[in-house]
Amino acid sequence: GQNIDQPTEMTATEGAIVQINCTYQTSGFNGLFWYQQHAGEAPTFLSYNVLDGLEEKGRFSSFLSRSKGYSYLLLKELQMKDSASYLCAAMDSNYQLIWGAGTKLIIKP
Amino acid sequence: IAGITQAPTSQILAAGRRMTLRCTQDMRHNAMYWYRQDLGLGLRLIHYSNTAGTTGKGEVPDGYSVSRANTDDFPLTLASAVPSQTSVYFCASSDSRGFQDTGELFFGEGSRLTVL
Repeated sequence: GQNIDQPTEMTATEGAIVQINCTYQTSGFNGLFWYQQHAGEAPTFLSYNVLDGLEEKGRFSSFLSRSKGYSYLLLKELQMKDSASYLCAAMDSNYQLIWGAGTKLIIKP
Repeated sequence: IAGITQAPTSQILAAGRRMTLRCTQDMRHNAMYWYRQDLGLGLRLIHYSNTAGTTGKGEVPDGYSVSRANTDDFPLTLASAVPSQTSVYFCASSDSRGFQDTGELFFGEGSRLTVL
């Protein structure tokens, strides 16, 4: 079956760095995606990886290893506004997104 | 402001009643989707439409129907609501060609539905 695993909750300190891991199993693979969702709001697109390696976008970076079925989202210089859920999703061979349950990130002062 | 509009934002509904959640986008995106989001679970695809006039079933289509008469509108209907359909419903859209390149979906603000 198809499956996405990510931690349920993480806590980090303002100004620090946090890494949110995601492992996936899909029928075929057409990319790995990260979305941010603040409480009570809609998910918003953060990043997309289809090739192995690190993609950097400002304070956020996303990494992919296709051979390991593994990705992580790295958030640097954490700010209070980064408190949100981070959703990992993998695209299968039919271009359908398979979603993880999300990681709730709590930022403490 | 361009984007996706959903209505209603919140609704309490008696079991057995019929309910239509409305979704309109003004980005001229070909593809539209309906997801439900439940605590502890990932977003689950209910129905989708790759272009006006066509629809398809997602992962959890039972009890729901959709139509796509034009590019902009994609309503979701619950013919006879049941308590297990209590959830937050998100409508989303994508430029279908761009989606295969970037996977970017644009979401509406969600409709919180409670079925009693």
